[in-house]
Amino acid sequence: KNEVEQSPQNLTAQEGEFITINCSYSVGISALHWLQQHPGGGIVSLFMLSSGKKKHGRLIATINIQEKHSSLHITASHPRDSAVYICAVGGNQFYFGTGTSLTVIP
Amino acid sequence: NAGVTQTPKFQVLKTGQSMTLQCAQDMNHEYMSWYRQDPGMGLRLIHYSVGAGITDQGEVPNGYNVSRSTTEDFPLRLLSAAPSQTSVYFCASSPVGVFGKLFFGSGTQLSVL
Repeated sequence: KNEVEQSPQNLTAQEGEFITINCSYSVGISALHWLQQHPGGGIVSLFMLSSGKKKHGRLIATINIQEKHSSLHITASHPRDSAVYICAVGGNQFYFGTGTSLTVIP
Repeated sequence: NAGVTQTPKFQVLKTGQSMTLQCAQDMNHEYMSWYRQDPGMGLRLIHYSVGAGITDQGEVPNGYNVSRSTTEDFPLRLLSAAPSQTSVYFCASSPVGVFGKLFFGSGTQLSVL
């Protein structure tokens, strides 16, 4: 049983394309996080959302609490965006999706 | 600030050996946590702490012990290592639990033979 489902699992895009990664969850949550795991393994936090929408540079994250769904958008994708993007939901504890592996080709 | 410091980066153990993975943070975060990451399964919470002296189990706590005697340190102990504990381990901290930005250590790649 997966509390957090991400789609797609793998994504290849041409540089400049608009990218969307989706996250659906089945548990009650207080907050949702988007993380980025670099090819070398390091993990950094991109966003924490409890409602609405957040934007940071070319990254936009949205959440719909009623539908238990979040999306991460990357505008004007670049090869340096190539990484694994992980959705995490937090209620009493954190649950993580298995990640979306993104490759952006020049 | 060093952030979250996790040691060692690599470790090989024999079945039955014990070891401690160290995690320290210098951001005065109350929330600290340990995760394991296995191929195809994503990160899974092992144990977490919301402050010194307070720890609780996560999704996969069996075979692991933790303690939190100070705000800065949150070590993870494997009492008797098993091959099923071969994984990549991450420590993370946050200023306000699930509502705070998560800061991750660089990870420990553990192999149990």
